[in-house]
Amino acid sequence: DADVTQTPRNRITKTGKRIMLECSQTKGHDRMYWYRQDPGLGLRLIYYSFDVKDINKGEISDGYSVSRQAQAKFSLSLESAIPNQTALYFCATSDQAGIADTQYFGPGTRLTVL
Amino acid sequence: GEDVEQSLFLSVREGDSSVINCTYTDSSSTYLYWYKQEPGAGLQLLTYIFSNMDMKQDQRLTVLLNKKDKHLSLRIADTQTGDSAIYFCAESNESGGSYIPTFGRGTSLIVHP
Repeated sequence: DADVTQTPRNRITKTGKRIMLECSQTKGHDRMYWYRQDPGLGLRLIYYSFDVKDINKGEISDGYSVSRQAQAKFSLSLESAIPNQTALYFCATSDQAGIADTQYFGPGTRLTVL
Repeated sequence: GEDVEQSLFLSVREGDSSVINCTYTDSSSTYLYWYKQEPGAGLQLLTYIFSNMDMKQDQRLTVLLNKKDKHLSLRIADTQTGDSAIYFCAESNESGGSYIPTFGRGTSLIVHP
């Protein structure tokens, strides 16, 4: 079974709709992250959380919000989706006690905003 | 400008060596990483090197770090078709007790027979 799971894996939505992407992990890691991948642009950090009560903005947080419902769950919301939020979204985890904050990635959610 | 730069594409013949290059700008980088992304999957850590090291070898993979020039390379010996993927260079330094990486744009490695 995958250690980091994301739902849904694919989603098509319309401009202005609210959408939530969910991430769950069974690795027992305390740190969780949301990244966005665009072709030719690499990965950019949206939000990260070091524990349930901790939420931090990343490089590109505008238009996004997050919720850390439990140590194992970290969700990303787009309150009013727009076409330039079409991208591949990855959740990742790392272990505070690990080395170099090695990131463990989920399989990704492909989001298309029409 | 970009913090981590790498070329977008590399094409090699099966059995040859591949060398993927990366440059970074942060002189205080503590860890440098190579991640691999196979089609339809998330990134997976291949290897990392601490900034006080010059080289790290792990089976077919050799990482070279030139800290003076801020240059990192990944050499894959005897490249196979299964090595076709996107390879991401990343760097991190300590901030608030964490080492959140900054990723490059990724190099697509294409291995042809």
